[in-house]
Amino acid sequence: QVQLQESGPGLVKPSGTLSLTCAVSGGSIINSNWWSWVRQSPGKGLEWIGEIYHTGSSNYNPSLKSRVTISADKSKNQLSLRLSSVTAADTAVYYCARVVGAIDSWGQGTLVTVSS
Amino acid sequence: DIQMTQSPSTLSASVGDRVTITCRASQSISSWLAWYQQKPGKAPKLLIYKASSLESGVPTRFSGSGSGTEFTLTISSLQPDDFATYYCQQYNSYSWTFGQGTKVEVK
Repeated sequence: QVQLQESGPGLVKPSGTLSLTCAVSGGSIINSNWWSWVRQSPGKGLEWIGEIYHTGSSNYNPSLKSRVTISADKSKNQLSLRLSSVTAADTAVYYCARVVGAIDSWGQGTLVTVSS
Repeated sequence: DIQMTQSPSTLSASVGDRVTITCRASQSISSWLAWYQQKPGKAPKLLIYKASSLESGVPTRFSGSGSGTEFTLTISSLQPDDFATYYCQQYNSYSWTFGQGTKVEVK
């Protein structure tokens, strides 16, 4: 059973860069899966951020594409998310997830607050 | 983007009730639709994929149907553990989008 664990700073200043990692255990990221990031603003719904294949191929939400980079480190079996030029609107719980058609495994999520 | 609209936004029901949630897509997504259950403070959990396929380990009281632009999630007999928020999600084309959620609450 694959497990995912997000980590990173819980507080980021406006105009700064949000950086998170996702450690994958119980399975290798080089298996035939895509890996995704999804966020959820407090009290609101879910927003797909983007996804990556272990080869480096990626797809991003057009609304975030100019600010987002998702990468995969095969040697560490982990994923990374970078979101630049953040504002208060980027405050959310960020989830990493495994994609098998739909999203079948999720991390527990990590809250990132954008505030000075 | 493909817009996903769920109805109702809130549903009040009792244990044992049959519950139906509807999800409409702004354009055809074939059967590329998933349903998730989310409880407060927890990550979503996959219930249904490809519109009607039950995820392993999910109770059979959950079922999904539909194709094209209209889909339903049905709970045949609501159990205490089922009070939660439910989301649909299309994965037909990028970018993937979710419905706004349906909260199933105690009547």
